[in-house]
Amino acid sequence: AQKITQTQPGMFVQEKEAVTLDCTYDTSDPSYGLFWYKQPSSGEMIFLIYQGSYDQQNATEGRYSLNFQKARKSANLVISASQLGDSAMYFCAMRESQTGGGNKLTFGTGTQLKVEL
Amino acid sequence: DAMVIQNPRYQVTQFGKPVTLSCSQTLNHNVMYWYQQKSSQAPKLLFHYYDKDFNNEADTPDNFQSRRPNTSFCFLDIRSPGLGDAAMYLCASALAGTTDTQYFGPGTRLTVL
Repeated sequence: AQKITQTQPGMFVQEKEAVTLDCTYDTSDPSYGLFWYKQPSSGEMIFLIYQGSYDQQNATEGRYSLNFQKARKSANLVISASQLGDSAMYFCAMRESQTGGGNKLTFGTGTQLKVEL
Repeated sequence: DAMVIQNPRYQVTQFGKPVTLSCSQTLNHNVMYWYQQKSSQAPKLLFHYYDKDFNNEADTPDNFQSRRPNTSFCFLDIRSPGLGDAAMYLCASALAGTTDTQYFGPGTRLTVL
């Protein structure tokens, strides 16, 4: 069974600083995908970034980058130049195949990020 | 803009009174998902549709049903809501065979009185 671990229940960062949110995973499937989602207090889950297990380069999307270390089974999210609007819950998730078709996400427990002035 | 829409955003129902939550997507995705999320927890998958094929999670209570009348729409029916069913309900869609990225709607927050 697949497993996602986020060991930081809460993080604080000052505005304009960079912050790293940790995520480790465990799977026996050679083909998998890793995702990060942001969930503000309004409740919507916002897709941030995707990394495929066969991707050679780390994914980047604007201020978000994914530090993918396959041998260590880690997929940390780096947010550069933090903004007050980045305050939210962040979930790491991994895709696993479903027998019925369509893929299922296994979520970590999340990290609550608070950006301070 | 293409998106996932959920209505209503807030739903209040009475204990035992059936309620239906709706979801639509304009992304032309062939997979749609329903999640339940309780406070400070990760989303929990209830079921999903791959095209017209319904896939139920083993631990989803029988009280929860779903319908997908066409590609764009998907409904979550709670036949007899209990106090424990109060939660945020998230709908998502994905295009199978690509990165399978799931795109979520804004959610419906259900209160059971």
